[in-house]
Amino acid sequence: DAGVTQSPTHLIKTRGQHVTLRCSPISGHKSVSWYQQVLGQGPQFIFQYYEKEERGRGNFPDRFSARQFPNYSSELNVNALLLGDSALYLCASSNIWSFQETQYFGPGTRLLVL
Amino acid sequence: SQKIEQNSEALNIQEGKTATLTCNYTNYSPAYLQWYRQDPGRGPVFLLLIRENEKEKRKERLKVTFDTTLKQSLFHITASQPADSATYLCALDRGGSYIPTFGRGTSLIVHP
Repeated sequence: DAGVTQSPTHLIKTRGQHVTLRCSPISGHKSVSWYQQVLGQGPQFIFQYYEKEERGRGNFPDRFSARQFPNYSSELNVNALLLGDSALYLCASSNIWSFQETQYFGPGTRLLVL
Repeated sequence: SQKIEQNSEALNIQEGKTATLTCNYTNYSPAYLQWYRQDPGRGPVFLLLIRENEKEKRKERLKVTFDTTLKQSLFHITASQPADSATYLCALDRGGSYIPTFGRGTSLIVHP
């Protein structure tokens, strides 16, 4: 079975632009979480979606938004990009909405904002 | 907000020895604590989960302990191998609401 997939793998944008990152969870998984990982730091939680509803939100500005589709894939959108948004964006899927459930991470999308 | 402290300095050990990594947290006691392995440029890989009412969890060469009094979790790798070299992250969640917090990770280097 395929693991969590993310696209694109790499992306270069300029300040003020908008970006959309995509994630496909493991087949059968209904929960998707998004994380931002800056170099040298641990992943920082952005959003969690389960059954197309937002179940958790981290401390990120409103420029960050996400949604989950009927097939459980998800998009993360970031508006008005800042230099500080440069990071590895990770998507994780799990079977249910609970931190006691194993999370499976994708390879990430590396975003560079110039 | 919850803060997690993991040693920022890399841990260097010889092959065959036991590696012990530390995760300290402040504020609330988490309901669940997870440990992950992350290789450069890749997403984290789940290793073990321990619940607040569990003192210890084992999986093959891995062992995790959870001391809610000390607000600390220890992660042990016995008979370490060079292939165990990676960054190890701890993550915790209060439970009830899904807002997990990750530490910055500790780099482990196992020398042959």
